[in-house]
Amino acid sequence: EADIYQTPRYLVIGTGKKITLECSQTMGHDKMYWYQQDPGMELHLIHYSYGVNSTEKGDLSSESTVSRIRTEHFPLTLESARPSHTSQYLCASRWRQNTEAFFGQGTRLTVV
Amino acid sequence: GENVEQHPSTLSVQEGDSAVIKCTYSDSASNYFPWYKQELGKGPQLIIDIRSNVGEKKDQRIAVTLNKTAKHFSLHITETQPEDSAVYFCAARGLEKLTFGTGTRLTIIP
Repeated sequence: EADIYQTPRYLVIGTGKKITLECSQTMGHDKMYWYQQDPGMELHLIHYSYGVNSTEKGDLSSESTVSRIRTEHFPLTLESARPSHTSQYLCASRWRQNTEAFFGQGTRLTVV
Repeated sequence: GENVEQHPSTLSVQEGDSAVIKCTYSDSASNYFPWYKQELGKGPQLIIDIRSNVGEKKDQRIAVTLNKTAKHFSLHITETQPEDSAVYFCAARGLEKLTFGTGTRLTIIP
């Protein structure tokens, strides 16, 4: 069982609100990732981090931002939510390059 | 960067039959190829992986084959069961990140 947690699991929020999606792992992994998942299944990498104070943009452009102040936390923030941000957001972490990535349960965000 | 193609996007298989999902990748430097299973309402979970120094790996009803020359790898599920119904993703390791395929929705017909 993976020790990586995302909160909240579901969030419905109005346009223009600021939101933070939380991701925490207790495995001491240096590498952490945020993926956005379409209703059509595809996983798009939007942010990743090699370790504390390291953040990089992924393959898919996103208006969200991330921070990595502590090894175990990798929160994602949207300053002003829009309906186009409605999606499932998945957080993942892993120890080394050629090792298993563990995923959280995901946060399903709906912006109305 | 790495590009991973996955086929088919949907697959329906009679219970007890075999299912095969195929992926191709573009970066010849990739050397780690995991397969993930995603059940409804959950995050993807690793079911099997293979490294480039191995051509085939098996774990009970699941097997993965890798052809580095052709840059393709496949997932084989034998004796399928209803609980195998899920979305399956292949992936290939690029520089610092995994690149995922587009997913295959597998449905097992009882």
